[in-house]
Amino acid sequence: AQSVTQLDSQVPVFEEAPVELRCNYSSSVSVYLFWYVQYPNQGLQLLLKYLSGSTLVESINGFEAEFNKSQTSFHLRKPSVHISDTAEYFCAVSDRSSARQLTFGSGTQLTVLP
Amino acid sequence: DTGVSQDPRHKITKRGQNVTFRCDPISEHNRLYWYRQTLGQGPEFLTYFQNEAQLEKSRLLSDRFSAERPKGSFSTLEIQRTEQGDSAMYLCASSLEGTAPLHFGNGTRLTVT
Repeated sequence: AQSVTQLDSQVPVFEEAPVELRCNYSSSVSVYLFWYVQYPNQGLQLLLKYLSGSTLVESINGFEAEFNKSQTSFHLRKPSVHISDTAEYFCAVSDRSSARQLTFGSGTQLTVLP
Repeated sequence: DTGVSQDPRHKITKRGQNVTFRCDPISEHNRLYWYRQTLGQGPEFLTYFQNEAQLEKSRLLSDRFSAERPKGSFSTLEIQRTEQGDSAMYLCASSLEGTAPLHFGNGTRLTVT
């Protein structure tokens, strides 16, 4: 079984400032890692994923996340945020052997202030 | 690709009533998932279909809950004798096989009064 911990439930940040959303996971097996974003009144959308290869993965809108196996972390970062990045962000993990169900963290509400 | 569609968007029902939700996945996706999300929490896995076969069920899925996916296309989730604790957002997702990412619908928000 896996579990995901997102330590910060709310992160307010000013526009154009950098941000880091923390995610730690626990698993007895190898995992795949994901970040999903949920804008108000919309479904979850995949932001980025780590399956294998380079431990640094990037999204098309400037977010990046780095898989750190020793620290069992997959923190999400962006060097300069925009108002439009305001949303809830969920970290998720799945078992490599089955790659079926996702286990989600409780989410981090990112609010970008003008 | 019109995305994953869920119907209805909102459902208000009285305790003890039965409700049914529908999910239409992306047409070429053979995997379909149901999740439940309560306020302030991440989505929790309920059940998973590969084509028409229901392959996994969470312990969260009590015997009042039943899901079907006839012919491996759309899916329905029925809750019998609803309780106030069933109030939540019910999310459907679909994917291709392997490591393909899940595509989520906008969810059905259930309120049990």
